[in-house]
Order: sequence, then structure tokens, then C-alpha cells
Amino acid sequence: GQQLNQSPQSMFIQEGEDVSMNCTSSSIFNTWLWYKQDPGEGPVLLIALYKAGELTSNGRLTAQFGITRKDSFLNISASIPSDVGIYFCAGPSGSARQLTFGSGTQLTVLP
Amino acid sequence: KAGVTQTPRYLIKTRGQQVTLSCSPISGHRSVSWYQQTPGQGLQFLFEYFSETQRNKGNFPGRFSGRQFSNSRSEMNVSTLELGDSALYLCASSFGGVTYEQYFGPGTRLTVT
Repeated sequence: GQQLNQSPQSMFIQEGEDVSMNCTSSSIFNTWLWYKQDPGEGPVLLIALYKAGELTSNGRLTAQFGITRKDSFLNISASIPSDVGIYFCAGPSGSARQLTFGSGTQLTVLP
Repeated sequence: KAGVTQTPRYLIKTRGQQVTLSCSPISGHRSVSWYQQTPGQGLQFLFEYFSETQRNKGNFPGRFSGRQFSNSRSEMNVSTLELGDSALYLCASSFGGVTYEQYFGPGTRLTVT
């Protein structure tokens, strides 16, 4: 089946810094979803990507397809403490409603 | 608009027992998907229901089952619990059409002893 690989596995950054993380797939995805999960909670949808070549933004978050559409990037600008959490990429596999998730990037923001 | 709700939030069961988890989707959403999250395997798709019919099923044994009611609320059942079933069980709802966005509930933390 399809697999999504996220990198890096974990990141430690200073408050105020920009962050970039990525996700790669073994096959082309026409849709990418980015989620954030806080401890003990369910994932929260951050951004949904549908159009290759376009940047999609949600506040300080920006995401885009990679050139091959087998990858996607999530950028966070001017990080703040509440950005701490695990960021997951996901894409539809098989049917539209079955999401395959990456293994996540654990983000820690240092004061 | 209220989000996805799941009950109970925490559950402790012993091996061999069965358990039923409940999920209420966002109002207007007709599709409910269930996922299992563990530290070792990450987030894995269990099954998806739309209009009371199971449309998709992941690679889990038959001990895992579910159903959906006419009001779109869904339940999942795990019979003959094993220690490896300890996990966070997440429910996600969506409109069920061509959109791919799924909105997750807070999950039910199941511990099997």
C-alpha cells in the first residue's frame, strides 16, 4: 500500500523561528492534508491542498505540493509556544475517505 | 457548530471482554471513519460508514466491527479484546462526497489489561 514518510521526525526550534517540514509518498497524491495533534486529543485539520503549484495558507501556516506531487511541504512562520505538537500529513488512498497518514513530525518550541 | 464527540473518553477493559465506542459526527456530515492510533503503528484506518453502509474497510481482523445509525451516529465494537488492542480510537466525520477533509473527535483511550 501507499506509504507516507515525514521528515524530520522531531524538531527543536526557538520561539520566533520559521519551520519547514515535508512529507513524501511512494505515489502521486492529488490531495494533501496537514493535521496537528496535541497530547490526548484528536488531530485537527490545518490545511487541505488540492491544486498543485499553489500555496495554501492558514494564518502563519503555508503548505504546497512538491514538484512531483509525490511530496508536500508545511511551513510555519514566527513560531509560538502553542505550535508545539505533532504534525501529520495525510492523503486519500484507495477510496476518497480512507486516509493514509505519515508518521508525524514532533515540534518543540523553546522559549 | 459542535465538533465530533466521542464517548467514553477513557476505558479500561480486561482481555477477552468486548467494548463498544460511540461517535457523534458534526451536524450535516454523513460519513464517519474510524482510526486506531498506537505509538508503534501510528494512525491506521479501520472502516468508514456512509448512510448506514460500510463503504471501506482497513486491514483489521473481524473482531473489529462497526455500524452507523440513521442519524449518522456511529459505534464501533471490538470483541475478545487483546492486549494489543490498547490504543487511542479516533472517529472522523466528513460530508462524504468528493471532499477529502475529515474532522476528528478527541478519541477514546482504550487500555486492555
